[in-house]
Amino acid sequence: QKEVEQNSGPLSVPEGAIASLNCTYSDRVSQSFFWYRQYSGKSPELIMSIYSNGDKEDGRFTAQLNKASQYVSLLIRDSQPSDSATYLCAVNPNFGNEKLTFGTGTRLTIIP
Amino acid sequence: DADVTQTPRNRITKTGKRIMLECSQTKGHDRMYWYRQDPGLGLRLIYYSFDVKDINKGEISDGYSVSRQAQAKFSLSLESAIPNQTALYFCATSDEGQNYGYTFGSGTRLTVV
Repeated sequence: QKEVEQNSGPLSVPEGAIASLNCTYSDRVSQSFFWYRQYSGKSPELIMSIYSNGDKEDGRFTAQLNKASQYVSLLIRDSQPSDSATYLCAVNPNFGNEKLTFGTGTRLTIIP
Repeated sequence: DADVTQTPRNRITKTGKRIMLECSQTKGHDRMYWYRQDPGLGLRLIYYSFDVKDINKGEISDGYSVSRQAQAKFSLSLESAIPNQTALYFCATSDEGQNYGYTFGSGTRLTVV
């Protein structure tokens, strides 16, 4: 079982709709969770972090964490063509030994 | 200037050659990392360093070595490059202030022919 799993996509969403990206993780003691956006050929860019159960909102982005279900998601409201990218979920599995484990990413395409 | 700078941006090298990829940062972070990214495999950790005197192997360290010359500099070497080391390489830094979320460099695209 992979430590961090994401649906590779591609996920196609009409412009203006809500894009929903999902991630599951295997280590129950994981402490912190991150979403990165990566444009083709570019470096990953941190867009959201979340540490507690529930929702965290930042502009058009909402991260949701459910530690009991070992599930973290990213919602993008009012999707724009510029949101087309690969989204990487990253998990810090061990408090005190902070090395992130990444999922393989979900490729998102916003259709104008 | 970028917070995390990688050089070179692109490099083509021949099988068997030694090559060094360099990373420097102005963020003042103690923790630095080297990852490689391959299509379908995601980001995989090669080496990491939590301070100048600390070097640790990641999940795919064979064929690689690193040097932490200073808090701000962390270099990755391929002792004898082989074609399956063709990949996109990223350096990253982190610290407690970001809850250890990474800041990535712009990457080095390495091709071994």
